[in-house]
Amino acid sequence: SYVLTQPSSVSVAPGQTARITCEGNNIGNKNVHWHQVKPGQAPVLVVYDDKDRPSGIPGRFTGSNSGNTATLTISRVEVGDEADYYCQVWDSSSGHHYVFGPGTTVTVL
Amino acid sequence: EEKLVESGGGLVKPGGSLRLSCVASGFTFRRYSLNWVRQAPGEGLEWVSSISDKSDYIYYGDSLKGRFTISRDNARNAVYLQMSSLTPEDTAIYYCARGAGIGHAFNVWGQGTMVTVSS
Repeated sequence: SYVLTQPSSVSVAPGQTARITCEGNNIGNKNVHWHQVKPGQAPVLVVYDDKDRPSGIPGRFTGSNSGNTATLTISRVEVGDEADYYCQVWDSSSGHHYVFGPGTTVTVL
Repeated sequence: EEKLVESGGGLVKPGGSLRLSCVASGFTFRRYSLNWVRQAPGEGLEWVSSISDKSDYIYYGDSLKGRFTISRDNARNAVYLQMSSLTPEDTAIYYCARGAGIGHAFNVWGQGTMVTVSS
């Protein structure tokens, strides 16, 4: 089955840039989506199809995807960005499955 | 407002069954795929199951071993998850989520319903 790897945690100071990677075999050939999960709240889609943002998501959230790595970049980080972030893909290479990465906790120092 | 509201969670004994429901409002339900995702305490998101707009495509996570069944009723704007032979490992918050189609991102999520499997 398809496996995604993310760093367990990323720490960043307010106003700086946080980069969260999501690694998978030839992930550049797939559409990658990113979800933000805060404690006690429903998940929120922040980036879909590698780099597109749903309405209402600030432009500070950007995505890229190439080769074996997809990246979610949060610019000018705010305290309110503190959350867990999960990458997601649809894998049809061996069956049909959605796959989530293990998640990355972003801590704003 | 586009909304999904889950219900049906609760405490169930190992080996028991439970049926979760998710009712949608604020969008044309029959045009979208629907999905179930769970999150065990202290763990990450795990995809459970997906159903296409017309119920002609249905997929499940490998870990479920045939114990769960997803269905939908487009007349009632509802999607269901029938769970059986539950084990403590099924203890989790179960989220309903909307997708533009099978394989697409989940762009609307419900608040979730808690399922606890314990004797």
